[in-house]
Amino acid sequence: KAGVTQTPRYLIKTRGQQVTLSCSPISGHRSVSWYQQTPGQGLQFLFEYFSETQRNKGNFPGRFSGRQFSNSRSEMNVSTLELGDSALYLCASSWGASGGELFFGEGSRLTVL
Amino acid sequence: SQQGEEDPQALSIQEGENATMNCSYKTSINNLQWYRQNSGRGLVHLILIRSNEREKHSGRLRVTLDTSKKSSSLLITASRAADTASYFCATEPGGGADGLTFGKGTHLIIQP
Repeated sequence: KAGVTQTPRYLIKTRGQQVTLSCSPISGHRSVSWYQQTPGQGLQFLFEYFSETQRNKGNFPGRFSGRQFSNSRSEMNVSTLELGDSALYLCASSWGASGGELFFGEGSRLTVL
Repeated sequence: SQQGEEDPQALSIQEGENATMNCSYKTSINNLQWYRQNSGRGLVHLILIRSNEREKHSGRLRVTLDTSKKSSSLLITASRAADTASYFCATEPGGGADGLTFGKGTHLIIQP
């Protein structure tokens, strides 16, 4: 069974641009969560989607948004990029709603110049 | 905000020794999980312990949970060089409304 796939793995953007990251969960998993990891703040929860509905949202500004499609694939978007948005963005999937084991992808490393 | 806080932040031991990491959290939880992350890569789930459990084993891993002290420990026995990684505890607050909350991790280095 294929694992969680995140694309792109690496990307470089400049301040003010926007970026879209993609996540394909493990087949059969209906929940997708996104996390931002930085050296200073550690792993911070962005949002969780289950069956195309956003169930939970972390404490991030409205520039961070996401969505989930009917095939459970998910995308997250960051608009008007800031230097502080440089981070490893991790996607995780699980079969059911929140609370169980998460299966993580390798992440998308975003650098904002 | 961080729910779990691991201690120590970094730990260096010799191969073959045991490694113990601790995690403290602030609110009531449904369960607590431990994850491992090799440098710059995704996290790998190690073990989940529910709030009504006190101890759990998986291979060379032993996890304890003390809900009265709001703390957990992860013991890795007979450490190997491949155990070098960062280890995170993650909690699901009671109610499950906020997803998993991770601590900042313990960076474990196993010296060959």
